[in-house]
Amino acid sequence: QVQLVQSGAEVKKPGASVKVSCKASGYTFTSYGISWVRQAPGQGLEWMGWISAHNGKTNYAQKFRDRISMTTDTSTSTVYMELRSLRSDDTAVFYCARDNQVLPFDPWGQGTLVTVSS
Amino acid sequence: DIVMTQSPDSLVVSLGERATINCKSGQSVLHSSKKKNYLAWFQQKPGQPPKLLIYWASTRESGVPDRFSGSGSGTDFTLTISSLQAEDVAVYYCQQYYGNPPTFGQGTRLEIK
Repeated sequence: QVQLVQSGAEVKKPGASVKVSCKASGYTFTSYGISWVRQAPGQGLEWMGWISAHNGKTNYAQKFRDRISMTTDTSTSTVYMELRSLRSDDTAVFYCARDNQVLPFDPWGQGTLVTVSS
Repeated sequence: DIVMTQSPDSLVVSLGERATINCKSGQSVLHSSKKKNYLAWFQQKPGQPPKLLIYWASTRESGVPDRFSGSGSGTDFTLTISSLQAEDVAVYYCQQYYGNPPTFGQGTRLEIK
């Protein structure tokens, strides 16, 4: 079955960077992209950006454009999301989701909790 | 950005009763030539990722119980649960995937009376 498995929880200090992975299985990796969505504690869903697994093309949300990077490793069917210059209000669960930019996000990874605290 | 506004923010419904959640988009999400509304509904239970319920505004995802239905077009949409079950307690989000960036409603928390 189609599945996205994310890396484990992280604790980071303000100003640091975090890199979260999302490993895909059960479908042709390069036929879809991956979007990343942030959910702060008790809050709603916020789209962060998208990467094509076919050619690495990216589309970042304006809010994150200066401190986010997304990359792919087709040899392991894995997408990475790096967020730099972390602040306490970046504390959130980060989700990856399969996204071909025509259909809605489906499925989603299990989520990765990133805690930013001094 | 297309702003998505859900109503109500929270909803308390008795078991077996109908639950209705509304979603309004700041501009139309109807693709005129494809005649499809780029509107999805997700269900999120505590500690879980969102789960796709409905896409193209009214197409039920495989495996989703038929008590869930979506309707609407253009800018106004509705998610209806015809007979509320205990396992339907969750937060529900609408999302438009017509414009860039994709955007979500703020969520509607559904509880049992």
